Amino acid sequence: GESVGLHLPTLSVQEGDNSIINCAYSNSASDYFIWYKQESGKGPQFIIDIRSNMDKRQGQRVTVLLNKTVKHLSLQIAATQPGDSAVYFCAPDPQAGTALIFGKGTTLSVSS
Amino acid sequence: DSGVTQTPKHLITATGQRVTLRCSPRSGDLSVYWYQQSLDQGLQFLIQYYNGEERAKGNILERFSAQQFPDLHSELNLSSLELGDSALYFCASSVDPTAGSSYEQYFGPGTRLTVT
Repeated sequence: GESVGLHLPTLSVQEGDNSIINCAYSNSASDYFIWYKQESGKGPQFIIDIRSNMDKRQGQRVTVLLNKTVKHLSLQIAATQPGDSAVYFCAPDPQAGTALIFGKGTTLSVSS
Repeated sequence: DSGVTQTPKHLITATGQRVTLRCSPRSGDLSVYWYQQSLDQGLQFLIQYYNGEERAKGNILERFSAQQFPDLHSELNLSSLELGDSALYFCASSVDPTAGSSYEQYFGPGTRLTVT
């Protein structure tokens, strides 16, 4: 089955810095990827997605990069704010309506 | 607010007991998913229902069961509880997966279960 891993369990940054959260996946057939954010005491929340026919997708202050050759994706957060402090999960979702497979997540801590 | 509601928010019970967790999906969402989140296992998929029918099973124990009712709300039943069942239980919902309109799942606030 699919295995999803994140490179670092924790990432600490200063407010205003850019953050990069990495994610590796094992199934080369995965064609769709989603990033979720989970703030303390809340359920996961969708941030951004990317399809395998894209290398890059930008949202509001977030950019996701996909490198299919090495089966790696990253989430970049520009001008990180204290409100970005959360656990970030990447999840490959090859078919709509199937369960999400989350890795352990990366905990982002933003200090001001 | 995701539009998904879960009750109760907190639940404390003893080993061997049985509890029922309730979830109401977003209006119009036909698919409901249950996940378990513990410190050592991360977020684990348990089971999915679509329009009242079981669609997929994940790492759900035989002591656990779920159902989705005609009004689309869902209940997760946990029985013969053990200390290791202590965790956050999340429900998520999504639109009709066959419509291809969205892959996004909307999560509720979770139920924190503590087994003592």
